[in-house]
Amino acid sequence: DSGVTQTPKHLITATGQRVTLRCSPRSGDLSVYWYQQSLDQGLQFLIQYYNGEERAKGNILERFSAQQFPDLHSELNLSSLELGDSALYFCASRATGDYGYTFGSGTRLTVV
Amino acid sequence: SQELEQSPQSLIVQEGKNLTINCTSSKTLYGLYWYKQKYGEGLIFLMMLQKGGEEKSHEKITAKLDEKKQQSSLHITASQPSHAGIYLCGADVPGSARQLTFGSGTQLTVLP
Repeated sequence: DSGVTQTPKHLITATGQRVTLRCSPRSGDLSVYWYQQSLDQGLQFLIQYYNGEERAKGNILERFSAQQFPDLHSELNLSSLELGDSALYFCASRATGDYGYTFGSGTRLTVV
Repeated sequence: SQELEQSPQSLIVQEGKNLTINCTSSKTLYGLYWYKQKYGEGLIFLMMLQKGGEEKSHEKITAKLDEKKQQSSLHITASQPSHAGIYLCGADVPGSARQLTFGSGTQLTVLP
C-alpha cells in the first residue's frame, strides 16, 4: 500500500456518461497530481492541485475537470465520455519540499 | 516542452543476464525518476537522480545520470523474473508545479 488511495479500481460506463474518480493523498501531502495512461499516448500529466488550488494544467480536455477539497482528497470528473477516454487514471501525491512522488494504484476506466 | 525518449521499447532477456535501459532527454534534466510498473498496476518508485554523474543502486538495479544531465541509464544485473515489467523514466518539469513528464516506457520480459 503506497498510502495514496484511488477509488474505484475499475469503472465501466457508456459513451456520453459522466464519472468521478477519487483520490486520497498520502497523509500530510498537499500536492495531488492526476495522470492518464493510455496505450497510444503513454503517461500524460493532466492537472495538479496544491492545498485546494489548481497549480498546473497539462493535456486535460475541457470535458474533464478536477478539484481538491479541504480534507485534501481530490476528484477528477470526466464528462461526455468517449471511447478514446478509456485509460488508466493515476493520482500521485507529493509532500512540500520533497522530491518523491507517490502513485496510487489507478482507476481503470472502460468506456463502451 | 521536454521530451523523454526511452530505448529499447521492449527487451526480452534470459534469466541471469544483465541489461540496460536508456532514457534521453531533449533538455537538461533537473530531476530524473525511474519507476517500475506491472501491467495495469500502479507505479513503483525505484530511484531519483539529480546531480550530473550521480549513480544510485538498490539491490541489483543501478541508475546513472550522465555529466551533462541529458541522459540516464538503468542497469539490472543478473536479471530475475521478478524484474519483469514496464520501466518508466520521468523528468521534473521546471516550474512551480514540478509535474513529471514521462518516457514511453520499456517493456522487460525475463525468461526463466
